[in-house]
Amino acid sequence: AQTVTQSQPEMSVQEAETVTLSCTYDTSESNYYLFWYKQPPSRQMILVIRQEAYKQQNATENRFSVNFQKAAKSFSLKISDSQLGDTAMYFCAFMKMGGSEKLVFGKGTKLTVNP
Amino acid sequence: GAGVSQTPSNKVTEKGKYVELRCDPISGHTALYWYRQSLGQGPEFLIYFQGTGAADDSGLPNDRFFAVRPEGSVSTLKIQRTERGDSAVYLCASSLYNSPEEQYFGPGTRLTVT
Repeated sequence: AQTVTQSQPEMSVQEAETVTLSCTYDTSESNYYLFWYKQPPSRQMILVIRQEAYKQQNATENRFSVNFQKAAKSFSLKISDSQLGDTAMYFCAFMKMGGSEKLVFGKGTKLTVNP
Repeated sequence: GAGVSQTPSNKVTEKGKYVELRCDPISGHTALYWYRQSLGQGPEFLIYFQGTGAADDSGLPNDRFFAVRPEGSVSTLKIQRTERGDSAVYLCASSLYNSPEEQYFGPGTRLTVT
């Protein structure tokens, strides 16, 4: 079974600064997806970024980028130029590629962006 | 178009009662997923539908939980003889066939069992 671990229950950052959220996972699969989701107080899970394990290049989406270390089974999220609207819970998630459609989530990191 | 919708937004029920939670997926999405998010935890998978059939129900915690999707669109999660431990946010997501990596989530139903 796959597991996802987020070791930082809470983090805070000043507006306009950069913050990195950590995630490690455990799997014996070779092909899989990794995700970062944002969950604001409205409860709706919003996809921030997705990485396919077979891609060596780290995914980027505007101010969001990941550092994917496949051998180390590490998948961190970097948020640059933090904005007040980035305040939310962030969840790291894993999905096996092909044959399983369920997301496996970590426990989340509560990020607060301070003005 | 409209996103995934879930009703009710909040539900309070007494221990032992029966509840139904509804999910309306994005139009054209044949795949539908239910997750449960307990306080302070990440969502946990419950069940996955492809069309009308449950393709994977391995996450349902016990036989008090049941879900249906009779016409391949709207789904209902049914919980019998509710217990206080069932209190959680129940999230629904949908995706196109063969695109499980692009799941769109609804706002969830917060269930409180008193």
